[in-house]
Amino acid sequence: GAVVSQHPSWVICKSGTSVKIECRSLDFQATTMFWYRQFPKQSLMLMATSNEGSKATYEQGVEKDKFLINHASLTLSTLTVTSAHPEDSSFYICSAVKIAGSGDTQYFGPGTRLTVL
Amino acid sequence: AQTVTQSQPEMSVQEAETVTLSCTYDTSESDYYLFWYKQPPSRQMILVIRQEAYKQQNATENRFSVNFQKAAKSFSLKISDSQLGDAAMYFCASPRDGNEKLTFGTGTRLTIIP
Repeated sequence: GAVVSQHPSWVICKSGTSVKIECRSLDFQATTMFWYRQFPKQSLMLMATSNEGSKATYEQGVEKDKFLINHASLTLSTLTVTSAHPEDSSFYICSAVKIAGSGDTQYFGPGTRLTVL
Repeated sequence: AQTVTQSQPEMSVQEAETVTLSCTYDTSESDYYLFWYKQPPSRQMILVIRQEAYKQQNATENRFSVNFQKAAKSFSLKISDSQLGDAAMYFCASPRDGNEKLTFGTGTRLTIIP
């Protein structure tokens, strides 16, 4: 299998606070994980690429200081939304790529719905 | 910019019938994979099928198959014997940046009519 979990599944926070979202590959190791953002009725927008043991690379227009990414192990990446504001409210999805044997296939977590009041 | 085009925002099909979702892509990669994902109301992205571009044979996974036309950069998904559980948004994805990242299409919402 290729199971990816995310925690929490939903979170509500006050404006100005920080929120951490965890992404775990449960039954495989992943050198690369991705973080996406999805607005209602829209497609997935890649925010950043997370590589184990190195700094994340961010897509153009994504603020690296607002969206902190840490890929501490081969099974865990975290996304921290710092000083969250209402415009950061969205659905955040992570994906993980198996080290070998999957043809660069991304397996997705169930997503985290963030609401900033 | 590398793009993925899904020209059908919405499709509907009678239960047990066959439906084809279209996708065209533009990639500069030479060897690559193409993917179809479905996103049901739960919003969990689920891999439906993948195609290796260097293989001429079209991929098949049970009721799901693709029609891959490499020269035309076309990658359509055929769903046979449609079931109510097939209702979802379907996203086509193609690679960029050395196969590391994916570009997703805008999606096709599939409705199954009982």
